[in-house]
Amino acid sequence: KAGVTQTPRYLIKTRGQQVTLSCSPISGHRSVSWYQQTPGQGLQFLFEYFSETQRNKGNFPGRFSGRQFSNSRSEMNVSTLELGDSALYLCASSLVQGSDTEAFFGQGTRLTVV
Amino acid sequence: GENVEQHPSTLSVQEGDSAVIKCTYSDSASNYFPWYKQELGKRPQLIIDIRSNVGEKKDQRIAVTLNKTAKHFSLHITETQPEDSAVYFCAASRGSASKIIFGSGTRLSIRP
Repeated sequence: KAGVTQTPRYLIKTRGQQVTLSCSPISGHRSVSWYQQTPGQGLQFLFEYFSETQRNKGNFPGRFSGRQFSNSRSEMNVSTLELGDSALYLCASSLVQGSDTEAFFGQGTRLTVV
Repeated sequence: GENVEQHPSTLSVQEGDSAVIKCTYSDSASNYFPWYKQELGKRPQLIIDIRSNVGEKKDQRIAVTLNKTAKHFSLHITETQPEDSAVYFCAASRGSASKIIFGSGTRLSIRP
């Protein structure tokens, strides 16, 4: 069974540009959540999608957005990139069925903004 | 708001000794408490979790305790080994893995 796949693994962008990251969840998982990991702020929740709908949202500016497709794959977009957006972006998928609630993380996309 | 505090931020123990990491959560509606281990350059991986209807859970050398009244939960690792060296994150959630609030992490080092 394939794990959570994130692409690309590494990305370098310039301030002001926009970026799109992709996450393919484990087959059968319908919930995809996104997290930003930085040395200073730790792991912070960005948003969660379930059945193509955003169910939860963290405290990030509107420059951070996402979507989920009918096959549960998800993308997140960051517009007008700032230096502070440099981070490891992790997505996690979960089954969300009954008591099975474990979140499985992808390897992450390391974004560097220069 | 929702917040999880984690202590200590760094912990160094002699191989074979025990390690304890403590967390406090603020959201009274939290009822699912996972612990993740993240090795350098790797993804966070679930090592143990506990729900609010249980006070303690053990899996081999790892145990987690939960005090709902005080909103405290702790991770205990016994007989530590070099491969236990990693960053450990506690977390809290309202019953699902869809929105997890993480603690700030504890960097655990095992001295040979």
